Amino acid sequence: DAGVTQSPTHLIKTRGQQVTLRCSPKSGHDTVSWYQQALGQGPQFIFQYYEEEERQRGNFPDRFSGHQFPNYSSELNVNALLLGDSALYLCASRTVQGAYEQYFGPGTRLTVT
Amino acid sequence: GESVGLHLPTLSVQEGDNSIINCAYSNSASDYFIWYKQESGKGPQFIIDIRSNMDKRQGQRVTVLLNKTVKHLSLQIAATQPGDSAVYFCAESSLLGKLTFGQGTILTVHP
Repeated sequence: DAGVTQSPTHLIKTRGQQVTLRCSPKSGHDTVSWYQQALGQGPQFIFQYYEEEERQRGNFPDRFSGHQFPNYSSELNVNALLLGDSALYLCASRTVQGAYEQYFGPGTRLTVT
Repeated sequence: GESVGLHLPTLSVQEGDNSIINCAYSNSASDYFIWYKQESGKGPQFIIDIRSNMDKRQGQRVTVLLNKTVKHLSLQIAATQPGDSAVYFCAESSLLGKLTFGQGTILTVHP
């Protein structure tokens, strides 16, 4: 049973560019959340997708957008990258019908130069 | 709000000792709390959870205590092992699953 998977593992981009990160949830999970984790800090909630729609959103600008596909996988897009967007981007999945328990993927390390 | 900062609290223990990691949460209406372990270069790993209608829950070598009066959580690890070395985060979950993380604690276990 595969857990949450994310791609790519690492990514280096230049300021002003755009990036797309991908996440496949744990088998049987239908809800995907994205988090940003800066170095030395706890993860910060970006948004959550369920039934292909954004259901909740944290305090992130519109440069951060996402998508969920019919197979429950998800993408995180960040436009007009800033140096401050450098972070570990984590995807977490759960089942809306189940417990609160969420499982995290290994993350994508994004470096903006 | 959430804790921020580059300097996480640290806890150093000897192998075999018991460890206690503490966390303060902010939302008195939170119903569900989770402890996560994060090793270097990895995503957070679920350790144990507790609902707000409980004050204690035990797992394998771990116990979580919840004090709603002072909005405090603790994680107790029995017979700490070198493999327990990691950053530990507590998190509050909303009903829809938005996690708000507390300030992490770096646990170092010396053989």
